Amino acid sequence: AQSVTQPDIHITVSEGASLELRCNYSYGATPYLFWYVQSPGQGLQLLLKYFSGDTLVQGIKGFEAEFKRSQSSFNLRKPSVHWSDAAEYFCAVARSGTYKYIFGTGTRLKVLA
Amino acid sequence: SQTIHQWPATLVQPVGSPLSLECTVEGTSNPNLYWYRQAAGRGLQLLFYSVGIGQISSEVPQNLSASRPQDRQFILSSKKLLLSDSGFYLCAWSVLYGYTFGSGTRLTVV
Repeated sequence: AQSVTQPDIHITVSEGASLELRCNYSYGATPYLFWYVQSPGQGLQLLLKYFSGDTLVQGIKGFEAEFKRSQSSFNLRKPSVHWSDAAEYFCAVARSGTYKYIFGTGTRLKVLA
Repeated sequence: SQTIHQWPATLVQPVGSPLSLECTVEGTSNPNLYWYRQAAGRGLQLLFYSVGIGQISSEVPQNLSASRPQDRQFILSSKKLLLSDSGFYLCAWSVLYGYTFGSGTRLTVV
């Protein structure tokens, strides 16, 4: 069965430091992968998505993610974190043949001033 | 441009009372519509999915139901709320891949 794992429930980084949020998926074919961000009490906003082609995907707000098929990973990165990046981040994979997503349980990011 | 409206933002309801949450989409036609529930520490759970008017797929057996009376309107309902129905409910739409989410409804059943 398809699944998405975000192994880090909480991550704390200092402002200006680099960030990497991990996402591993279980899927038989080439997956459609997504990263979303959720500010407290708000809906989710799409950061970036991967369908095919270049495995390094650029998104909004300075985020990027790299698809690594050999590791079944789609990790989210940002070179320099800003205090406004504090939020919860969700990785998702689209179920095969559908537009329905499976979401990971999320990683809550805290940014220290 | 496409927008999605979800209301109310917060709701406190007693156990056994009915529920109606509404979601409307503007600026697109024939979207796929979704209801998700988010519980603390448990990520997002897909509740219902609709590809057209009157077409509802239920993902999880539960105390809730959904309806799509118009192309861009999606309603989540319950006849009698349970304590376990508390959570953050999110509506979303998509035409292909890539969801747009509403701002959510925080439901507290007391």
